[in-house]
Amino acid sequence: DARVTQTPRHKVTEMGQEVTMRCQPILGHNTVFWYRQTMMQGLELLAYFRNRAPLDDSGMPKDRFSAEMPDATLATLKIQPSEPRDSAVYFCASGLEGVGTIYFGEGSWLTVV
Amino acid sequence: AQSVTQLGSHVSVSEGALVLLRCNYSSSVPPYLFWYVQYPNQGLQLLLKYTSAATLVKGINGFEAEFKKSETSFHLTKPSAHMSDAAEYFCAVSRYSGGGADGLTFGKGTHLIIQP
Repeated sequence: DARVTQTPRHKVTEMGQEVTMRCQPILGHNTVFWYRQTMMQGLELLAYFRNRAPLDDSGMPKDRFSAEMPDATLATLKIQPSEPRDSAVYFCASGLEGVGTIYFGEGSWLTVV
Repeated sequence: AQSVTQLGSHVSVSEGALVLLRCNYSSSVPPYLFWYVQYPNQGLQLLLKYTSAATLVKGINGFEAEFKKSETSFHLTKPSAHMSDAAEYFCAVSRYSGGGADGLTFGKGTHLIIQP
């Protein structure tokens, strides 16, 4: 059963600490998305990659957030330094260009205190 | 830019009653439209999608949605609600033409409550 895998599932950290979230997309998918979900803003697209190259990161705060794909099986989202307003659920999703459907992971639930 | 509006942040229906969740979209190109469901503490699961093949789309768990271009709507329905349908439902539109391959823009979500 192919699925998008995210780690950690839950993270509580102190303000100022670095947070790294990881995602393993579905094997064969060439497009990876990072979404953030909050009560106030709903689901926001932070960034996405195609064939490991960043295509759009306009939704991501550049001063503290960074996203990379070191290889086709791993995407990372890093926050440094973290702030309480970063508390949210971060979803990774993957899809195949031209097919249309994207599949979501279970999310990384981040709390910054 | 494409956008979706979900009417009603909360919808409550009795078990066995009709479920109707409303979604209107705005798109400058022929849209691809999606409904996703999110159960508590879980990720989003695809219910169904419209990709211009047929205006009435059937999905999982007995849900279906009808694309109405004249009304710019893509409402989600289920004839008979079940307690297990209680969840958050999201309508989404492709950001650009060609499906969701460049990401989706989501509505704010509708929380479906099922009364026993």
